[in-house]
Amino acid sequence: KNEVEQSPQNLTAQEGEFITINCSYSVGISALHWLQQHPGGGIVSLFMLSSGKKKHGRLIATINIQEKHSSLHITASHPRDSAVYICAVMYSGGGADGLTFGKGTHLIIQP
Amino acid sequence: KAGVTQTPRYLIKTRGQQVTLSCSPISGHRSVSWYQQTPGQGLQFLFEYFSETQRNKGNFPGRFSGRQFSNSRSEMNVSTLELGDSALYLCASSRLALKNTEAFFGQGTRLTVV
Repeated sequence: KNEVEQSPQNLTAQEGEFITINCSYSVGISALHWLQQHPGGGIVSLFMLSSGKKKHGRLIATINIQEKHSSLHITASHPRDSAVYICAVMYSGGGADGLTFGKGTHLIIQP
Repeated sequence: KAGVTQTPRYLIKTRGQQVTLSCSPISGHRSVSWYQQTPGQGLQFLFEYFSETQRNKGNFPGRFSGRQFSNSRSEMNVSTLELGDSALYLCASSRLALKNTEAFFGQGTRLTVV
């Protein structure tokens, strides 16, 4: 079964710290998504990556296709960054061809 | 530009009933995909519709079905509801097919089966 592994599951940090969330997947993909979910359920798409690196404000996402690994970084973290961060991949062949999700990383930024 | 709209936001149904959820995508988006989120299983893909055709389907029983209309609005139907169907149901819209473009999510419909 193609799986998506995220680490850590839970992360508590102080405001201003540099945050890294990791995502590993098992087989070839066509794209990887990083999503943010706040309490109440709404999901916001942060990045879609197929190679390299993307940056948006204080958020940076990188992907290493050879190592089947992606990281989401948050610089100068703020309490409003507290949310669940979810990695999702689109596998490039076979299966249902929909998104496969990680279990999410619960991030709490304390003031 | 309006976002993805899901209705209703909350729903309570009884075991054995059926339910229909609605998703209106962002204007100009042709793909709508549906997801189920539960505390135990996390987010799981249900199906994707593109230009009124189901492109692919996740590993869910036939009680879960959907359709997409010519204006790209989509509905999801669950028949013979079970307690385990209680979940947050999310839809997402994409300008192109899901595998080629970013997905924008709605706020979800929280379904409780009693």
